[in-house]
Amino acid sequence: GIQVEQSPPDLILQEGANSTLRCNFSDSVNNLQWFHQNPWGQLINLFYIPSGTKQNGRLSATTVATERYSLLYISSSQTTDSGVYFCAVEGGGSTLGRLYFGRGTQLTVWP
Amino acid sequence: DTGVSQDPRHKITKRGQNVTFRCDPISEHNRLYWYRQTLGQGPEFLTYFQNEAQLEKSRLLSDRFSAERPKGSFSTLEIQRTEQGDSAMYLCASSLVGGAPGETQYFGPGTRLLVL
Repeated sequence: GIQVEQSPPDLILQEGANSTLRCNFSDSVNNLQWFHQNPWGQLINLFYIPSGTKQNGRLSATTVATERYSLLYISSSQTTDSGVYFCAVEGGGSTLGRLYFGRGTQLTVWP
Repeated sequence: DTGVSQDPRHKITKRGQNVTFRCDPISEHNRLYWYRQTLGQGPEFLTYFQNEAQLEKSRLLSDRFSAERPKGSFSTLEIQRTEQGDSAMYLCASSLVGGAPGETQYFGPGTRLLVL
């Protein structure tokens, strides 16, 4: 299967700071999604971004498919941004349909 | 759009008992997925359906696990003779093949299983 590595594993910020989360993957992908998992376990979709750049409010993401990495930017962080951020990719061929997840980045934002 | 729903949200059972979970996908979605997440890990793929056909099963899905999607709408995941190692969050997701933007998978709130 596809290997997905996320860094850093843990990130502690003060409110208002900016941060960059990275996702590296081991093979070409058809689909890449970023999720935020809240304390109750719900996975919330942030971006569907197999390539290119997208922005949504204080969040933006960039995927460079040829170099097999994606970045999630969080600007002016707020305490409500705390939680685990997951990157997940879908490969092609026999792995089409299944998402492979990284181990996540645990983000804690202090007031 | 009411989102993906799962029932129950929590389940505590004794080792050796059978349990069944239900997932209701977003209404027009034709694909439905099951994942399992243990503490400190990302979700791991178990199986998925397109309409009522089960297209793929992970090696994680032992003989004690069975999933169905009888009419291409809701799905059930049954675990027989539960073991303590089955304790995990079971997540369901759905997507629309050919939809926009791409085949984004949307996740339900999960069923948290504890096997004593």
